[in-house]
Amino acid sequence: SQTIHQWPATLVQPVGSPLSLECTVEGTSNPNLYWYRQAAGRGLQLLFYSVGIGQISSEVPQNLSASRPQDRQFILSSKKLLLSDSGFYLCAWSVKGDRNEQFFGPGTRLTVL
Amino acid sequence: AQSVTQLGSHVSVSEGALVLLRCNYSSSVPPYLFWYVQYPNQGLQLLLKYTSAATLVKGINGFEAEFKKSETSFHLTKPSAHMSDAAEYFCAVSDLSPGTYKYIFGTGTRLKVLA
Repeated sequence: SQTIHQWPATLVQPVGSPLSLECTVEGTSNPNLYWYRQAAGRGLQLLFYSVGIGQISSEVPQNLSASRPQDRQFILSSKKLLLSDSGFYLCAWSVKGDRNEQFFGPGTRLTVL
Repeated sequence: AQSVTQLGSHVSVSEGALVLLRCNYSSSVPPYLFWYVQYPNQGLQLLLKYTSAATLVKGINGFEAEFKKSETSFHLTKPSAHMSDAAEYFCAVSDLSPGTYKYIFGTGTRLKVLA
C-alpha cells in the first residue's frame, strides 16, 4: 500500500531564517506531487505541483520554492521566512492519469515568529 | 474555468440529525468531483468521488453525495450525525486543463455536532 510522509510535524522558526520541509511517498512510482498551504481560517491554497523529477509548476508568486530531486521526494524551501509564511503545509500525491484523487500527508504546522 | 462554491463556512447540527453540506460547481464539461474531510491538525481524507458513473455516490463513514447536473450541485449528506463527524469538509473539482492534474478546492465547511 502507498504511504506519504511529511516532516517535521511542527516547526517554529524566526523571521528571516531558512526553511526546508520534506515529503516522501512510498509504494508507488512516478506520482504527481503537490504542496498546499492552509492559513488560519482559510481554505487550501495550491503552491506547487510536479509531474516528474525536476519539473515544478508554481501556482502563486511567493517567498517559497519547491524541488523534486527524486521520483518520490518533494521539498518545499525558503531562503528567508516571512511572518505570512505561517500555516499548515500539506503534501499530496496522485496517480498519473485523468483526474485521479489526491492522497494527503499528515501536514506540517509552521509558525514563524 | 472550473470553480467550486461551498455555502456556509460553519454548520451546526444536533447529534442524530441530518447532515447537509452544500457544494456547487461551475464547469463547461462533465466534472470530476470530490469530497474530503479534515480533522484538526491532520491531512485531508477522501470521503467520496464522482467520476460520471452513478449520480448517487456512497462514501466512507455513512456519507453520500448526489450529483445534480441541472442544479450544478454535489451536496454531501449523512442521515444521522455522530459526534465524530465534527471536522472540516472540502469539496473539490478536477481542473480540466490538459496535463495539469490539479484540483480546485472550495473554502471548506466546518461541521459542529451538538450533543
